[in-house]
Amino acid sequence: DIQMTQSPSSLSASVGDRVTITCRASQSISSYLNWYQQRPGKAPKLLIYAASSLQSGVPSRFSGSGSGTDFTLTISSLQPEDFATYYCQQDYSNLLTFGGGTKVEIK
Amino acid sequence: EVQLLESGGGLVQPGGSLRLSCAASGFTFINYAMSWVRQAPGKGLEWVSGISGSGSSTYFADSVKGRFTISRDNSKNTLYLQMNSLRAEDTAVYYCAKGYLAARPSYMDVWGEGTTVTVSS
Repeated sequence: DIQMTQSPSSLSASVGDRVTITCRASQSISSYLNWYQQRPGKAPKLLIYAASSLQSGVPSRFSGSGSGTDFTLTISSLQPEDFATYYCQQDYSNLLTFGGGTKVEIK
Repeated sequence: EVQLLESGGGLVQPGGSLRLSCAASGFTFINYAMSWVRQAPGKGLEWVSGISGSGSSTYFADSVKGRFTISRDNSKNTLYLQMNSLRAEDTAVYYCAKGYLAARPSYMDVWGEGTTVTVSS
């Protein structure tokens, strides 16, 4: 199976900060990398698919980049509603796998 | 409106069985692969199983292979997860999720609210 490793596992940031989360795959997955946001007690929400495509309705302050094994999710200016946990997920393989998650907390 | 509604969760003893259902509405069900994703208390997301739109191909995480079965009834727009030989580590919220492709699991653009499964004596 393809292992996905996210870093950091948690971070503290202030409203207006630029935030970057990284995700590394155990093998090359081309651009088959997706990002989700999960707020406490809620279902995950798709933010970015195919490494850099913004899902409909998602604010443009969210962006994704990368290919091969290394990927990043960037929030250009953190908003109060962005405090949540973020997960990367690969769909290069038919056996999908998620990263361990990055919890974004208020500083 | 595109919607997924899970049901069938509950408390079950170790070694027992449970069948989850996911009723889909608002889209052409047969055109999309579907997946089950779970989240143990305080833990991250774990993909459990996926099925192609036609139902002809199924996929399982190693942690549930041989114990869980996934199926779908496209005439009823419903996805199922049959869980046998349940263990304490299967305790989780189980989400049903719609994929983007028909042939295989892919990124998931619509999620249900989840149903809780607790395995305990």
